[in-house]
Amino acid sequence: GQQLNQNPQSMFIQEGEDVSMNCTSSSIFNTWLWYKQDPGEGPVLLIALYKAGELTSNGRLTAQFGITRKDSFLNISASIPSDVGIYFCAGVIYNQGGKLIFGQGTELSVKP
Amino acid sequence: GAVVSQHPSRVICKSGTSVKIECRSLDFQATTMFWYRQFPKQSLMLMATSNEGSKATYEQGVEKDKFLINHASLTLSTLTVTSAHPEDSSFYICSASYSLGEQYFGPGTRLTVT
Repeated sequence: GQQLNQNPQSMFIQEGEDVSMNCTSSSIFNTWLWYKQDPGEGPVLLIALYKAGELTSNGRLTAQFGITRKDSFLNISASIPSDVGIYFCAGVIYNQGGKLIFGQGTELSVKP
Repeated sequence: GAVVSQHPSRVICKSGTSVKIECRSLDFQATTMFWYRQFPKQSLMLMATSNEGSKATYEQGVEKDKFLINHASLTLSTLTVTSAHPEDSSFYICSASYSLGEQYFGPGTRLTVT
């Protein structure tokens, strides 16, 4: 079945540093989504990507949908303590009713 | 916009009883709602997909008689865990979608079965 490989699994960085994480798959997806989940909460949608090659920003966050539609990256610039959490990528499959396939998650820790 | 609520946020029940969890889209009509289960330090596992007025589609390995899903309206879906056992203790999260693509998640329900 479809799988998303998300890397890295965890990151420990200093406040102010930039962060980069990525997801790859052997399958093609119609849409890529990036979510952030805080402990004990549901995931919050950060960025949605619909077109191959699309580069989208949301404040300090930037994400791109790979040209092959099989990968995506998320960058966070000038990290701050509230960026701490788990980031998930998710690919959407339209012909499966919009089902999401999730990556394993990247746990981000930011040291003040 | 695109706010999804869940109720209750936490529930403790005794083994053998049933528990109902509600998922509501507050500011949009959701054509599709999804139910997930999440174990500590793991990603979300899709349990079922439900469309308003039709039967839910369950993922392989999910018991439909144990996890009853009702999608009565475009803003409300419910998940009932029947005859709950301690192994059903988990974090249950719903999401709602009004078009193919983005899903908006609720805050989750922590179920503890004693």
